Amino acid sequence: DTEVTQTPKHLVMGMTNKKSLKCEQHMGHRAMYWYKQKAKKPPELMFVYSYEKLSINESVPSRFSPECPNSSLLNLHLHALQPEDSALYLCASSITPAGNTEAFFGQGTRLTVV
Amino acid sequence: GESVGLHLPTLSVQEGDNSIINCAYSNSASDYFIWYKQESGKGPQFIIDIRSNMDKRQGQRVTVLLNKTVKHLSLQIAATQPGDSAVYFCAENPGGGKLIFGQGTELSVKP
Repeated sequence: DTEVTQTPKHLVMGMTNKKSLKCEQHMGHRAMYWYKQKAKKPPELMFVYSYEKLSINESVPSRFSPECPNSSLLNLHLHALQPEDSALYLCASSITPAGNTEAFFGQGTRLTVV
Repeated sequence: GESVGLHLPTLSVQEGDNSIINCAYSNSASDYFIWYKQESGKGPQFIIDIRSNMDKRQGQRVTVLLNKTVKHLSLQIAATQPGDSAVYFCAENPGGGKLIFGQGTELSVKP
């Protein structure tokens, strides 16, 4: 199994809503990542989890709250988002947290904030 | 800040021709580089990687070249096919567990 699975594929939420994005991998990878991608732009790193602990937060606003319940799961909790937060949210995983091995990406969650 | 960038935002080639996509990086500490292909509505897909102790690496129809002297990375695609049409990103590992993406090149293959 070399898949990173993200749910939901599409999400529309209001600015007062609370929602969560989910990511799952069963490759035994010990690093997991959240990226944000706007149209026609490269993915931007948001968070890195290393052995289930948050190791990197790229100064992401607190309305985005990551969680890693176990080595296979990664969540991104969303609250009080703004329309400019609309984007494709990508999850990735890699064997080690060193950043020097291939990162496998999921298909992303297309988020629209209204 | 330091960043990874691409020389050409768009590239249009004829089917069967070879394609060359370039990338400039500025972080001299980066020791690992990846090329990703991203099709519309999908996540980035790994194509090939290279470590800083290598100058060249070949895969199936693809070759990555690394020139550390001028901090330049290129992806060569042989006999480009319509299915190769996508946005191509280079990414670098500057250390600290990060993987940072460059700006991307959109490759369009004309039949």
